[in-house]
Amino acid sequence: NAGVMQNPRHLVRRRGQEARLRCSPMKGHSHVYWYRQLPEEGLKFMVYLQKENIIDESGMPKERFSAEFPKEGPSILRIQQVVRGDSAAYFCASSPSRDREAFFGQGTRLTVV
Amino acid sequence: AQSVTQLGSHVSVSEGALVLLRCNYSSSVPPYLFWYVQYPNQGLQLLLKYTTGATLVKGINGFEAEFKKSETSFHLTKPSAHMSDAAEYFCAVSESTGTASKLTFGTGTRLQVTL
Repeated sequence: NAGVMQNPRHLVRRRGQEARLRCSPMKGHSHVYWYRQLPEEGLKFMVYLQKENIIDESGMPKERFSAEFPKEGPSILRIQQVVRGDSAAYFCASSPSRDREAFFGQGTRLTVV
Repeated sequence: AQSVTQLGSHVSVSEGALVLLRCNYSSSVPPYLFWYVQYPNQGLQLLLKYTTGATLVKGINGFEAEFKKSETSFHLTKPSAHMSDAAEYFCAVSESTGTASKLTFGTGTRLQVTL
């Protein structure tokens, strides 16, 4: 059973470009969570999705950020018009149900130049 | 609202010495509590968790933590440090009435193990 797969592992974007981060949850997991880790900080919750639905997006910035988890395929975190402050590690986690703990992927490290 | 405080952003111990990483939390409802370890350029690995029941929780790699409600603490310990324990450790909390995986993390403690 493969773990949570995130790609790419490293992503470099110029200011103003779009960044797309992908997360394939573990087999049998229909709940996905995205977290952001800024340098020298802990992880901050961004969004919680269940297949085709956004359950909780209280941690998402109001502009430029969006997330989806379609019926088929991976979950996508999309950042439009990236700025230097978006440089961070973005982690995805998945769980089989709401009341179970999540397993984390290895993260995507986004660098905005 | 929940919060987690990890005292000491950096802790250094000698190999073979006791490891003690401190974590205090605040939560308006009974919490679920977690410790995660992060090795350089890796994701987070769950060390141990407390949900209900026994307050002394044993995890992987010889780590354990004790939930003390009166002190709102969940400190992580290991009797004898090994070089391979060098990593960053995160304490996290979620609300037992909410979503177990919507976590509030502390800012982390970097553990250094010296010879």
